[in-house]
Amino acid sequence: QQQVKQSPQSLIVQKGGISIINCAYENTAFDYFPWYQQFPGKGPALLIAIRPDVSEKKEGRFTISFNKSAKQFSLHIMDSQPGDSATYFCAAGTNFGNEKLTFGTGTRLTIIP
Amino acid sequence: KAGVTQTPRYLIKTRGQQVTLSCSPISGHRSVSWYQQTPGQGLQFLFEYFSETQRNKGNFPGRFSGRQFSNSRSEMNVSTLELGDSALYLCASSFTLAGFSTDTQYFGPGTRLTVL
Repeated sequence: QQQVKQSPQSLIVQKGGISIINCAYENTAFDYFPWYQQFPGKGPALLIAIRPDVSEKKEGRFTISFNKSAKQFSLHIMDSQPGDSATYFCAAGTNFGNEKLTFGTGTRLTIIP
Repeated sequence: KAGVTQTPRYLIKTRGQQVTLSCSPISGHRSVSWYQQTPGQGLQFLFEYFSETQRNKGNFPGRFSGRQFSNSRSEMNVSTLELGDSALYLCASSFTLAGFSTDTQYFGPGTRLTVL
């Protein structure tokens, strides 16, 4: 049973535009929601993460929006750059000793000039 | 501080063989998790070790096993390889304090396993 649904599967955005990737989860026990960025040939790298006690977190051009009642969260990349072209994974997990992360299926983002 | 290292980076095996993959976590990290990444299934959790004990396990058959050593290094073993085991195997480590997680998992570059 897939517990984290991610969309879209692929996304093409023009340079300078806003990239938006959405995720929805089912398990209400999740209390940690990270986003990972993966370049070809590399392992995923943590980009930004949020806990359900806040509705938004911003780090530079990257923002997570979180809607606890809808069980949804999204990643917004402002002023998208060609260097942002990568695969993005949302994930969900629980704190306190449980290291297991449940990942979405990934979004391949391409930023075109 | 050095990142998570995985060896080997690439492996080619044939069906029925067995394989062992190695992971060295970031210094000071005591938790090591393993994930399988495939184009169709994405990243799927295999298992997690903390202080040489398996603490969590995903939904994989018993052919997949692992262990952790006293220096936190971890190995993953797959026996009786099947074609469907071809994947990128990722190891991630995280810092824990008194057994509790600080959440951030740092991934290695992975081992690309091809089963022929």
